[in-house]
Amino acid sequence: SAVISQKPSRDICQRGTSLTIQCQVDSQVTMMFWYRQQPGQSLTLIATANQGSEATYESGFVIDKFPISRPNLTFSTLTVSNLSPEDSSIYLCSARRGGGTDTQYFGPGTRLTVL
Amino acid sequence: DAKTTQPNSMESNEEEPVHLPCNHSTISGTDYIHWYRQLPSQGPEYVIHGLTSNVNNRMASLAIAEDRKSSTLILHRATLRDAAVYYCILRGYGGATNKLIFGTGTLLAVQP
Repeated sequence: SAVISQKPSRDICQRGTSLTIQCQVDSQVTMMFWYRQQPGQSLTLIATANQGSEATYESGFVIDKFPISRPNLTFSTLTVSNLSPEDSSIYLCSARRGGGTDTQYFGPGTRLTVL
Repeated sequence: DAKTTQPNSMESNEEEPVHLPCNHSTISGTDYIHWYRQLPSQGPEYVIHGLTSNVNNRMASLAIAEDRKSSTLILHRATLRDAAVYYCILRGYGGATNKLIFGTGTLLAVQP
C-alpha cells in the first residue's frame, strides 16, 4: 500500500491569491495525479503529474491556473492560482506504483475556501 | 472514455447483503472494471477490480456479466462503516486510458 499525506489539510484564501498544496507519498510511485472535488460532487481529474517533465492536463484545466511540480518519485505540488470563489473545493492527491491494474491510493484532501 | 451508469442512491440494513449494480454497455476489451468507495470526509479507497471472471476479496465480491456490459458489487454483510459513495470505473490497461475517471457513483446508506 501507499500512504499519502497532504499539506495543508484546509485553508481559507482571499480572492486573487494562490495556494500551493503539497503531496507526499511514503514510498516511490510512478504515477501521481491531482483531482478536484467540488461541494457535493464527484471527483474530477485535473492532471497527471509527470516526474521530470510537464504535467498532462485534462480537458478544461490549464497550466497557468493549476501549475504542478513533481521533482521526484514521492512528492508533488499543485498550485491553484488567481483564486476565485469558484475554486472552493477539495483537492486530492492520488498515486499508484505502476500501470496495469495497480491500485490507486488517495490522500485525505485539502479543503480550500476562497472568500 | 467509456461510461458507467449507477443508481444515485441505495439503502440497506445492517448485516444484510448489498448488491450495487453498474452498467457499462460501451466497455472495450481492454477495460478493467474497478470499484472504489469514498467514506465521508475521506479520499476514495480501492475496493475490487476485475476483467471477465468474478472476483472475491476480503472487502467484497465482484460479479461480471458474461457480455461484460454490466457488473455488480456485492457486500456480503453491510456494516454501518460501509456507508459511502461507491464508484464503478472503467480503466484501460495502458497508456492514456489507464486513469481513474469518476462518475457520479451510488450513495449507499446503511440502516442499523
